Amino acid sequence: DAGVTQSPTHLIKTRGQHVTLRCSPISGHKSVSWYQQVLGQGPQFIFQYYEKEERGRGNFPDRFSARQFPNYSSELNVNALLLGDSALYLCASSIDANTEAFFGQGTRLTVV
Amino acid sequence: DQQVKQNSPSLSVQEGRISILNCDYTNSMFDYFLWYKKYPAEGPTFLISISSIKDKNEDGRFTVFLNKSAKHLSLHIVPSQPGDSAVYFCAASDPNYGGSQGNLIFGKGTKLSVKP
Repeated sequence: DAGVTQSPTHLIKTRGQHVTLRCSPISGHKSVSWYQQVLGQGPQFIFQYYEKEERGRGNFPDRFSARQFPNYSSELNVNALLLGDSALYLCASSIDANTEAFFGQGTRLTVV
Repeated sequence: DQQVKQNSPSLSVQEGRISILNCDYTNSMFDYFLWYKKYPAEGPTFLISISSIKDKNEDGRFTVFLNKSAKHLSLHIVPSQPGDSAVYFCAASDPNYGGSQGNLIFGKGTKLSVKP
């Protein structure tokens, strides 16, 4: 069984650009969460989606947005990139909103 | 303001000995805690969890202890093995989201090195 897959694995963008990160959950999982992990810190919650509805949002600016598609895959979009957005972006999926979350390997975003 | 704190950035232990990783939290409303292990270039992997109605949960070599009055939990690994070398994150389920494990508050992590 495939685990949570994220694409791309690495990405370099310039300040002010826009980026889209993608996540495919484990088959049968209906909940997807996004986290940002900057160097030396633990993952910080950005969004949770369940059954295509936003279920939770962390303390991130409106430049960050996400959506979940009918097949339960998800995209995280970040507009007007800042140097401080450089981080590992992790996606986690779970069967429903309250069960164990399984993480993907992450997308390493570097903003220059 | 960190709600989940792991005050030891690193820990070095000899193979076969016990590893004890500590975690403190500030929000008394937290009622579900998890430990994750993370290797470089991989996502965090769930290890063990504990509900606030318990004070101990055991799974093989891993045991988590919860002291609610002290707002403290610890992960014990016995015996430690070189393959346990990784970063360990303590996390709490955000009570604002009804115990959802999709919305976790993480500590900064402790890097465990187990030396042969």
